[in-house]
Amino acid sequence: AQSVTQLGSHVSVSEGALVLLRCNYSSSVPPYLFWYVQYPNQGLQLLLKYTSAATLVKGINGFEAEFKKSETSFHLTKPSAHMSDAAEYFCAVSDLSSSNTGKLIFGQGTTLQVKP
Amino acid sequence: GAGVSQSPSNKVTEKGKDVELRCDPISGHTALYWYRQSLGQGLEFLIYFQGNSAPDKSGLPSDRFSAERTGGSVSTLTIQRTQQEDSAVYLCASSATRSNYEQYFGPGTRLTVT
Repeated sequence: AQSVTQLGSHVSVSEGALVLLRCNYSSSVPPYLFWYVQYPNQGLQLLLKYTSAATLVKGINGFEAEFKKSETSFHLTKPSAHMSDAAEYFCAVSDLSSSNTGKLIFGQGTTLQVKP
Repeated sequence: GAGVSQSPSNKVTEKGKDVELRCDPISGHTALYWYRQSLGQGLEFLIYFQGNSAPDKSGLPSDRFSAERTGGSVSTLTIQRTQQEDSAVYLCASSATRSNYEQYFGPGTRLTVT
């Protein structure tokens, strides 16, 4: 069964600093991986996805993530944090079990705080 | 174009009452998913529709929960005899096809059971 672990439920950075949000996955098959962002009282917005093409994936708002099979990781980074990046971030893996429904299995989420 | 919409945005109900939550997916999307987001459990899958059929209902927490989809479009999630533990944000997502894997989420319905 697939699972996702996000290390750190809360991350705080200063404006302009590097953002690093950690995600590790468990999957018996090559995974499809996603990062979503959720702003207060809103739904989830797709930041980026990995679907077995290039291992370095670029997304919206300057975010990128690197798929590392040997480390079973898919960490999210952004070189310079903006105040507008403050939100909750979710890493997810797509269900690729025999049922193959495409349902997402989410990590517990990481709240990013950006300090001025 | 229009995204996924959900109604109502907020619903307060008394314990024991039935509630219906509605989801309008993106036009033409054949796959539709319901998820629940709660403080204790995080984001959990509830049910998956492909067209009007639901081949995966494995996430429904009890038989008080049911869902249907009509015309390959609108979906309704019904919770009967609501309990306080049903309080959560219910999110709907749609995808062009199951194999597309890219899901677009609605804003959610916040359900509070008093």
